[in-house]
Amino acid sequence: DAGVIQSPRHEVTEMGQEVTLRCKPISGHNSLFWYRQTMMRGLELLIYFNNNVPIDDSGMPEDRFSAKMPNASFSTLKIQPSEPRDSAVYFCATTQWADTGELFFGEGSRLTVL
Amino acid sequence: GENVEQHPSTLSVQEGDSAVIKCTYSDSASNYFPWYKQELGKGPQLIIDIRSNVGEKKDQRIAVTLNKTAKHFSLHITETQPEDSAVYFCAALGGSWGKLQFGAGTQVVVTP
Repeated sequence: DAGVIQSPRHEVTEMGQEVTLRCKPISGHNSLFWYRQTMMRGLELLIYFNNNVPIDDSGMPEDRFSAKMPNASFSTLKIQPSEPRDSAVYFCATTQWADTGELFFGEGSRLTVL
Repeated sequence: GENVEQHPSTLSVQEGDSAVIKCTYSDSASNYFPWYKQELGKGPQLIIDIRSNVGEKKDQRIAVTLNKTAKHFSLHITETQPEDSAVYFCAALGGSWGKLQFGAGTQVVVTP
């Protein structure tokens, strides 16, 4: 398997623009997590899905952030409108068994909002 | 919720020496404790994990110990090599299903 695939790897945009980050999970993994990593706050869980259903979105910072998982092979994290403080590396991670905690991370999407 | 503290934030060791990273957790219900290694420009990768019914686990040069009473666990890397240079994260899972709480990370630098 190719692992968790994220795109784009790098995104530079201007404040106010819409940003869409994409994730393709490992086949057969039924839980998907979106994390944000910054120097100040470390790894923060934004939202996670189980069987394509959002289970906990309490980590989503505000209404500007939204995430979807329309099917088992694809998820998106959208920021609209983007702000400079959203600059971070966003990771998608998936697992077959959410109760064991073993997550497989993608290589991340580095977002810079000017 | 769970709170995980990790120390030190940076660790510099000579090649061949040992490295130890320590973490404490707050939720006594936590029952799974993985360690992740993150290399520059990549996502974290699981290197070893331990469950609350085990006190110690070893895999070649790395080992993890768990003290449930004190609520702390540690990562030990022996005979360090330059390729061990990375950021290491501890994490704890418990209480809320499917949610791992990560520590702040330790930047390990192994100098030849």
